[in-house]
Amino acid sequence: DGGITQSPKYLFRKEGQNVTLSCEQNLNHDAMYWYRQDPGQGLRLIYYSQIVNDFQKGDIAEGYSVSREKKESFPLTVTSAQKNPTAFYLCASSIGSSYNSPLHFGNGTRLTVT
Amino acid sequence: SQQGEEDPQALSIQEGENATMNCSYKTSINNLQWYRQNSGRGLVHLILIRSNEREKHSGRLRVTLDTSKKSSSLLITASRAADTASYFCATDGNSNYQLIWGAGTKLIIKP
Repeated sequence: DGGITQSPKYLFRKEGQNVTLSCEQNLNHDAMYWYRQDPGQGLRLIYYSQIVNDFQKGDIAEGYSVSREKKESFPLTVTSAQKNPTAFYLCASSIGSSYNSPLHFGNGTRLTVT
Repeated sequence: SQQGEEDPQALSIQEGENATMNCSYKTSINNLQWYRQNSGRGLVHLILIRSNEREKHSGRLRVTLDTSKKSSSLLITASRAADTASYFCATDGNSNYQLIWGAGTKLIIKP
């Protein structure tokens, strides 16, 4: 079955440590996205990538980094510079632009930093 | 500021009743999308409606779009317990790859 796999489902880290969240898709989609979701709020875009080896900052990129070395993979690193990293992180992909193409989401990674 | 804002924030109805959620937005759009999110899971796409469309159906879902009022509604008919979820609208952002999301409507279907 085609889809997006995020791992791990839960992640716990100490403050000051970098952590990398995995996102893999086998839908052959060109575009991939990382969103952050906080309780009672809408999704906020961290980074997106339209094509391999290219990515763009979203609305809240500070303290995060990404890479897109393969079409299938778009890992997100939450660095120690991110002031409030505890959140639910969602990865998504789409065939074309998110304006015209439905987003397909993974089931998220819940990150807790203490 | 948020482009899409859902109303109400929460809605609790009996199974079998219809549920209506609304989304308002501020600027002109090309498309508007509705998504569902079950607790602790990813979002699932429901319907995309284009700015030149007024109404769209998918099974028990009906979406309307009123561009003059900058608003959309999602109607779920004959609700079921499995419809319990949060529902989000998303509209065009600053680029073709950026959507702006509302805070969602939390729908609870009571058996």
